[in-house]
Amino acid sequence: DAGVIQSPRHEVTEMGQEVTLRCKPISGHDYLFWYRQTMMRGLELLIYFNNNVPIDDSGMPEDRFSAKMPNASFSTLKIQPSEPRDSAVYFCASGPRDRLIYTFGSGTRLTVV
Amino acid sequence: KNQVEQSPQSLIILEGKNCTLQCNYTVSPFSNLRWYKQDTGRGPVSLTIMTFSENTKSNGRYTATLDADTKQSSLHITASQLSDSASYICVVSVRSGGSYIPTFGRGTSLIVHP
Repeated sequence: DAGVIQSPRHEVTEMGQEVTLRCKPISGHDYLFWYRQTMMRGLELLIYFNNNVPIDDSGMPEDRFSAKMPNASFSTLKIQPSEPRDSAVYFCASGPRDRLIYTFGSGTRLTVV
Repeated sequence: KNQVEQSPQSLIILEGKNCTLQCNYTVSPFSNLRWYKQDTGRGPVSLTIMTFSENTKSNGRYTATLDADTKQSSLHITASQLSDSASYICVVSVRSGGSYIPTFGRGTSLIVHP
């Protein structure tokens, strides 16, 4: 089992550009979560999916952020346009049906300059 | 407002010593509490999970306790090792309909010195 796979590991982009982060969850997991981690705010839940359907996106900071899960093995988090305050580490996690244990990916470190 | 407060914010100990990290929460209705270990540059990894009826759970040198009455949890690390240097995050979840909604603590940064 390769675990949760995120790409890229690092992303540096200029303000105003579109950024797309990618996640491949663990096969068989029903739930997928996107988190953002900063020194100031710690870990924040942005959005989560159940069986590819977005359930709660109340953590998405604003309309510049969007997430999709077109199938059970792939999800994207898109920021358009990006801003310097979006700089953070973005984690994807997946979990089985009982949702008691999440498995996190290694994260994407995003820097917007 | 659901909150999870962790203390201390950071801790430095010598290798081989024990330490205890604290987590206080106001999350309600409580469903479960998890402790995660996050190494620098990596994603969090689950150490323990406890539901309402459990008051202690061990994972090797890590022992978590839960007092659901006072809404407090602790994570005790025995005979610390250099590899224990990491951030430790407390996560408390509520059950809402068919969903679990997590609230994260800010974490305790632990440094173990040789």
